[in-house]
Amino acid sequence: GQQLNQSPQSMFIQEGEDVSMNCTSSSIFNTWLWYKQDPGEGPVLLIALYKAGELTSNGRLTAQFGITRKDSFLNISASIPSDVGIYFCAGRYQGAQKLVFGQGTRLTINP
Amino acid sequence: EPEVTQTPSHQVTQMGQEVILRCVPISNHLYFYWYRQILGQKVEFLVSFYNNEISEKSEIFDDQFSVERPDGSNFTLKIRSTKLEDSAMYFCASKTSSTDTQYFGPGTRLTVL
Repeated sequence: GQQLNQSPQSMFIQEGEDVSMNCTSSSIFNTWLWYKQDPGEGPVLLIALYKAGELTSNGRLTAQFGITRKDSFLNISASIPSDVGIYFCAGRYQGAQKLVFGQGTRLTINP
Repeated sequence: EPEVTQTPSHQVTQMGQEVILRCVPISNHLYFYWYRQILGQKVEFLVSFYNNEISEKSEIFDDQFSVERPDGSNFTLKIRSTKLEDSAMYFCASKTSSTDTQYFGPGTRLTVL
């Protein structure tokens, strides 16, 4: 089946630092979504991307839909303690209803 | 802001028992999904449902599982004869017809003993 490789698996940073994570696939995706999950909660949508090359911001978050349609990245600028959590990329490929999820990036912030 | 809701938040059951997990999707959404997440792992797709029928399902979604939209607001996942390995968080999601963006509920933690 379709696989998404998300990296890094975990990040330990200082408050105020910028963060970057990415997802790659061997297949073309039509949609890329980025979610954040807090412990014991459901994934919460951060950013949705629908077109190759699209660059979208949501506050301190910026995400891009790769030109090849096989990758996406998420940047967080000036991290704050509430950014702690697990970030998942998810994508939908042509002809599918489902979202395929990456393995997640666990973000830990030292104050 | 409209949200997907799920009940119960935590379900504990004995192996071999049947469980029904309930979801209320966002009211104007037409596509409904179930996903599961085993502790510490990624979110995995189970099934999608549109126009009162299953539109896609994964290999995980075998005869042990079934879904139903019993009325205009609820969407349920039934697991017959639960197994230890069914222990996971189960998430319901929904979306409109005009976007790929799926909105997730808070999940039901299923523990099979």
